[in-house]
Amino acid sequence: DSGVTQTPKHLITATGQRVTLRCSPRSGDLSVYWYQQSLDQGLQFLIQYYNGEERAKGNILERFSAQQFPDLHSELNLSSLELGDSALYFCASSVGLGGDRLETQYFGPGTRLLVL
Amino acid sequence: SQQGEEDPQALSIQEGENATMNCSYKTSINNLQWYRQNSGRGLVHLILIRSNEREKHSGRLRVTLDTSKKSSSLLITASRAADTASYFCATDVARDDKIIFGKGTRLHILP
Repeated sequence: DSGVTQTPKHLITATGQRVTLRCSPRSGDLSVYWYQQSLDQGLQFLIQYYNGEERAKGNILERFSAQQFPDLHSELNLSSLELGDSALYFCASSVGLGGDRLETQYFGPGTRLLVL
Repeated sequence: SQQGEEDPQALSIQEGENATMNCSYKTSINNLQWYRQNSGRGLVHLILIRSNEREKHSGRLRVTLDTSKKSSSLLITASRAADTASYFCATDVARDDKIIFGKGTRLHILP
């Protein structure tokens, strides 16, 4: 158990819909990362937040947005869903910015999204 | 091809044998990490090697880094059935904020 929790575990929805994925980082971790993992694209970094502020951006679509709240939990919002958005979405957390930009990340169990 | 690419894509070996996976990348990095992922589950951090390090050990794991060739290798010695998983390398690109994972090597340990 990494200490990172994600809800829900599974989500089935229809094209055009909007969903919100939730992540609670490990206690004390200030950074939260979101990833999308699909069979054809592998694990894609989407976005990172550090202490409530956006820190780094990866291959995140404009239809997707995220935020980190004062209690450090984070939400990833996916809107106007398409079939291709079906994937595993992982959240990870780390202590925060330190000497090493890439810190050890602790991954949650993921949310499996299926868009029909 | 992308920043982090693992090779081979898939590997099957007998239990007890050593498994070697390679990762190549394109640009300068600050450090490189290896992660393991059991089927459909979250990634688990294995080891981090900094750009100024050449080799690192952790239990049955040995990681090497060759910055001149922009490549890293992960060696798992005396493999066990529980090592069956996908293995990913992750890099952070120097002077950039992006984090790049490769597509992974699927390792299958045969009994």
